[in-house]
Amino acid sequence: ELKVEQNPLFLSMQEGKNYTIYCNYSTTSDRLYWYRQDPGKSLESLFVLLSNGAVKQEGRLMASLDTKARLSTLHITAAVHDLSATYFCAVMDSNYQLIWGAGTKLIIKP
Amino acid sequence: DSGVTQTPKHLITATGQRVTLRCSPRSGDLSVYWYQQSLDQGLQFLIQYYNGEERAKGNILERFSAQQFPDLHSELNLSSLELGDSALYFCASSIGEGGYGYTFGSGTRLTVV
Repeated sequence: ELKVEQNPLFLSMQEGKNYTIYCNYSTTSDRLYWYRQDPGKSLESLFVLLSNGAVKQEGRLMASLDTKARLSTLHITAAVHDLSATYFCAVMDSNYQLIWGAGTKLIIKP
Repeated sequence: DSGVTQTPKHLITATGQRVTLRCSPRSGDLSVYWYQQSLDQGLQFLIQYYNGEERAKGNILERFSAQQFPDLHSELNLSSLELGDSALYFCASSIGEGGYGYTFGSGTRLTVV
């Protein structure tokens, strides 16, 4: 059974700093997704990573996938307050179901 | 606008009642997924339909049921409601088996009083 673990679950940081959210998963998969959720709002797709070594960047966010290590990272560069949100990773299992991490609540203080 | 439409946006009802949540998937998407998210909690997968047929089941209570109609819209029925059923209910859709991820609707906030 595929399990997905995110860490940290909570992160409070200052604007301008860099930080990384980690997403580990337990069995083989080559499809990983990152979503953002603002409080009380819907989930917005950020990145779709479909192969080993995939790297995608959008603004201050960069996501990468290492399928051999079963690890994805979401790196935040020079954080700004607008990036405060909860970030979820999800991994596709062999039954084509998305298995979700618990989410990382990110608070960026001005 | 993601293209996935959920109605109603808000619903307040009493314990013991029954409600129906509706979802219209993005145009061209055949799969519909239902999720429950309690306050400050993660996503709990409830059920998936693909082109009218149930494809996968998650932690869905027996008091809950769903279906997908020939026009591909889906309904989630919640009955004998309890206070603990208060949550955000999301519908998501995907083209096929979700290989390129899901598109989420804006959710229905259910409050049971």
